[in-house]
Amino acid sequence: AQTVTQSQPEMSVQEAETVTLSCTYDTSESDYYLFWYKQPPSRQMILVIRQEAYKQQNATENRFSVNFQKAAKSFSLKISDSQLGDAAMYFCAYRSADSGTYKYIFGTGTRLKVLA
Amino acid sequence: EPEVTQTPSHQVTQMGQEVILRCVPISNHLYFYWYRQILGQKVEFLVSFYNNEISEKSEIFDDQFSVERPDGSNFTLKIRSTKLEDSAMYFCASSEIGAADTQYFGPGTRLTVL
Repeated sequence: AQTVTQSQPEMSVQEAETVTLSCTYDTSESDYYLFWYKQPPSRQMILVIRQEAYKQQNATENRFSVNFQKAAKSFSLKISDSQLGDAAMYFCAYRSADSGTYKYIFGTGTRLKVLA
Repeated sequence: EPEVTQTPSHQVTQMGQEVILRCVPISNHLYFYWYRQILGQKVEFLVSFYNNEISEKSEIFDDQFSVERPDGSNFTLKIRSTKLEDSAMYFCASSEIGAADTQYFGPGTRLTVL
């Protein structure tokens, strides 16, 4: 069975600085999707970035980028020029590319604090 | 931008009572999901629903749980006889048929069973 591990329960970053959130996963599959979701306090989870495992190029969305290391089964999220609005819980998630399943497997989350 | 909505935001119930959690998925989405998060633990998959039937369910989703799309817009999760351990945040999600790899989540319903 697949697992997702986020080893950092909480991280802090100064406004305008860069922070990296870690995520590792375990799978025997070769094709899958990886996601980072952001959950602000009392708000819904919103998609930050998505990576298809068959793509070697790391996904980027504005200030958010990933470092996808398939062999190491690592999928870290880098937030550049951190802003106060980035403060949230961040979840890493895995989804098999098997068409028979759409379920996400989540990590436990990392709470990001942004210091002014 | 369209959003998934959920009601109520917080539900308190007595052990043994039935609860229904409601979700309105994004209107053109065809796949629907329920997840739950017990405080301090991982978000866990419960069930997925497509074409008016369950397409996948986890071992958590036992006979006490059921899902329904009663009217073409709502998607509900019913827990027949709540237990203390059902206390959790319940998230609804939906996705398009063609982009089923990206799920859009609602804000959650916090269920407290006393």
